[in-house]
Amino acid sequence: EDKVVQSPLSLVVHEGDTVTLNCSYEVTNFRSLLWYKQEKKAPTFLFMLTSSGIEKKSGRLSSILDKKELSSILNITATQTGDSAIYLCAVDDLSGTYKYIFGTGTRLKVLA
Amino acid sequence: DAGVTQSPTHLIKTRGQQVTLRCSPISGHKSVSWYQQVLGQGPQFIFQYYEKEERGRGNFPDRFSARQFPNYSSELNVNALLLGDSALYLCASSLGQGAGQPQHFGDGTRLSIL
Repeated sequence: EDKVVQSPLSLVVHEGDTVTLNCSYEVTNFRSLLWYKQEKKAPTFLFMLTSSGIEKKSGRLSSILDKKELSSILNITATQTGDSAIYLCAVDDLSGTYKYIFGTGTRLKVLA
Repeated sequence: DAGVTQSPTHLIKTRGQQVTLRCSPISGHKSVSWYQQVLGQGPQFIFQYYEKEERGRGNFPDRFSARQFPNYSSELNVNALLLGDSALYLCASSLGQGAGQPQHFGDGTRLSIL
């Protein structure tokens, strides 16, 4: 069965710390891996990683896809209280339906 | 540009009732997907519609149904509501179904079953 596993489940850090969030996956036909940030309601798109784009960076956030290890990491440097959120990892499986398989998420809390 | 809009934002129903949730995709997006997010879990796929046809269905009972209209908006219907249907229902839209086209989510409808 296809699955996505994220770790840690929750994390508490202080402003200015660097954090690394992990995502591993097992899917039949991998197409892409996506990271979303969910604060109160709508998950907000951060990155999409594919075989042709295994590294992405935007400001203090960056992500890498390791297709050999079937995993990805999301790094946040110089964390701010506004980074407090649930970070969701999703995998897009090529097996017919265009659907995302989500992990449970990592709940990040950044203390001032 | 307006993002994905969903209505209503909150809904309270009792067991056995029926509910209809609505979604308007981002302008130009032809694919709409529905997800259920239970507290403490990631979103679970329910349906995907593309060009007004059902293209995929998740592991949900037949009490769940959906449709997409000619203007690409969509409705999710749930019959015979159970306590376990209490969740945040998210709608997501994308341009199409190809790689490189991420899904963008609305704020969701929070459904509470009493």
